[in-house]
Formats: sequence, C-alpha cells, structure tokens
Amino acid sequence: QKEVEQDPGPLSVPEGAIVSLNCTYSNSAFQYFMWYRQYSRKGPELLMYTYSSGNKEDGRFTAQVDKSSKYISLFIRDSQPSDSATYLCAFMNTGFQKLVFGTGTRLLVSP
Amino acid sequence: DVKVTQSSRYLVKRTGEKVFLECVQDMDHENMFWYRQDPGLGLRLIYFSYDVKMKEKGDIPEGYSVSREKKERFSLILESASTNQTSMYLCASSLAGTGSNQPQHFGDGTRLSIL
Repeated sequence: QKEVEQDPGPLSVPEGAIVSLNCTYSNSAFQYFMWYRQYSRKGPELLMYTYSSGNKEDGRFTAQVDKSSKYISLFIRDSQPSDSATYLCAFMNTGFQKLVFGTGTRLLVSP
Repeated sequence: DVKVTQSSRYLVKRTGEKVFLECVQDMDHENMFWYRQDPGLGLRLIYFSYDVKMKEKGDIPEGYSVSREKKERFSLILESASTNQTSMYLCASSLAGTGSNQPQHFGDGTRLSIL
C-alpha cells in the first residue's frame, strides 16, 4: 500500500463550482498536513498548512483533516480559471522535517 | 515573503558531465532540501541539510551529492550525468521550528535535460 494516495485527475469543473480535492494516507505518525498548488513550469506554492484534525479556512480555500479516517481534503469555493493547476497534498511527522507528497491532482476550471 | 532562487530554469547537459545546480534562499532558513519531480512519481527527496556543512541522504541519493558551505546556499551535484537524471529539480527551504515543524517553501525549479 502506498503511503499517500491521491487521484491524478484531471478534474474538470465550470467556473464558480465548488471543488473538492482529497488524499488518503496510511502513516498514523503524520501530524502536519499541507496543500501546495503548482502551476505548469513553476515550483509548488504553499496554500494551506494545518496541524491535527479539524478545519482551516483561508479565503476561498478550506483544508479539512480527519486523522481518525486518515483523510484530508481541500475545498475551493467559487472556483476560477486561475485555480487551474496541480494540487499536491503533503505530510510530515513531528520532529522530522521530511515531506511525503501525493502525486498531485490536476484541476481544470473552464470559463 | 520567502524567496528561494534556483540559478537556472532550463539546463541541457551531456552524458558524463559533472552538473551543478544552485539554490539560494533569503530568509535565513536552517533547513534546505533538494527534490526531483517526475510524472507519475511525484516529488522525491534526494538530499537535505539541517545546517551549514551538514547533509543527510533522502530517498534517492544515488548519483548525486550536495554542498552547503553557507547557510543561504545549497548546491546539488550530479557527479556523472546520465539520461535517467533528466528531470525537474526543485529546491526548498524551511525554518527550524521550536517545538513544531515549519512548512517548506519551494523555488521554481530547474528543468534539466541530459542528452
């Protein structure tokens, strides 16, 4: 079993839709949960960074962590064509700085 | 804002050459990382460093070495480039957290082609 599972997509939605992106993981030692956005030919950009279970909101973005189910989600409200990118989930253990990444979900938002 | 700068966006080299990829960060971060990113495989950690002159192997260190002579600069070296090292190389840095981990911030990558 892979340590992190993420659907590669592409996920195609119309502008204005609510987008749900998800990752599952198997390592119960993961304590830090991140979402990165990566545009074509650019590096990953940190979007959300959370610790422990629960929700965190930042503008149109909401990150949700369910440690009991080993499942994290990123919700994008009122999606825009500029949100078209690859979204990577990432995980870290406490005290150990190594990131474990999902393979990314490609999102396409059409006008 | 954190700025991680990779010296080249695109690089073409020949098999057997020694290749240097440079990365500089301007936020006084203790931790620096080198990844490669390949389609279907995601980001894989090559080497990382917690401090000047310190280095640790990541998941795929074979064929690579690193150098960290100054806190702000972390270099990745391909000792003898091979075609299977054609990839996107990403540098990242993070603050050494006190009691908590800090997120990593990435540069824009170097797309390296080995012919």
